[in-house]
Amino acid sequence: DSGVTQTPKHLITATGQRVTLRCSPRSGDLSVYWYQQSLDQGLQFLIQYYNGEERAKGNILERFSAQQFPDLHSELNLSSLELGDSALYFCASSVSGDGQPQHFGDGTRLSIL
Amino acid sequence: DAKTTQPPSMDCAEGRAANLPCNHSTISGNEYVYWYRQIHSQGPQYIIHGLKNNETNEMASLIITEDRKSSTLILPHATLRDTAVYYCIVNNARGADGLTFGKGTHLIIQP
Repeated sequence: DSGVTQTPKHLITATGQRVTLRCSPRSGDLSVYWYQQSLDQGLQFLIQYYNGEERAKGNILERFSAQQFPDLHSELNLSSLELGDSALYFCASSVSGDGQPQHFGDGTRLSIL
Repeated sequence: DAKTTQPPSMDCAEGRAANLPCNHSTISGNEYVYWYRQIHSQGPQYIIHGLKNNETNEMASLIITEDRKSSTLILPHATLRDTAVYYCIVNNARGADGLTFGKGTHLIIQP
């Protein structure tokens, strides 16, 4: 158990819809990262938040957005969903700084029908 | 971030030591070497990381060459449950930014 909690575990929806994925980081971790893993693209970094502020952006689509709340949990919002958005979405957290590692949750499997 | 090169697959007999190599010839002075593994579609699991010195924890040992251009992850007594994709990643010491996952090494432990 990494201590990172993601909900829901599975999500099935239709094209054009909007969904929200939730992540609770490990106790004491200030950084939250979101990753997408699809069959053809592998594991890709989407975005990072540190203590409520956006810190780094990766290959995140404009249809996707994220935020980190005062209690440090984070949400990833995916809108105007397309078939190609079907993937595993992972959240990771870290203390941040001094090379400390990221710890990953079990992911949310998103299926677009 | 520097890129890494790993063999696409390796086999190892159960109970033997599994030695997974990684090349990171363009690593910068402030970049750490991290190892993660992913079992099927589970979340990547952190194994170990290091900067210059060799490191050991309850899961594995990490050997980094003196010039830091390559490293080896050692699983001392591999079990069937160690079958997974192993990723070698270099990332900055600031701890910020996302990890760049390559294709990793698919390690298969043979009974």
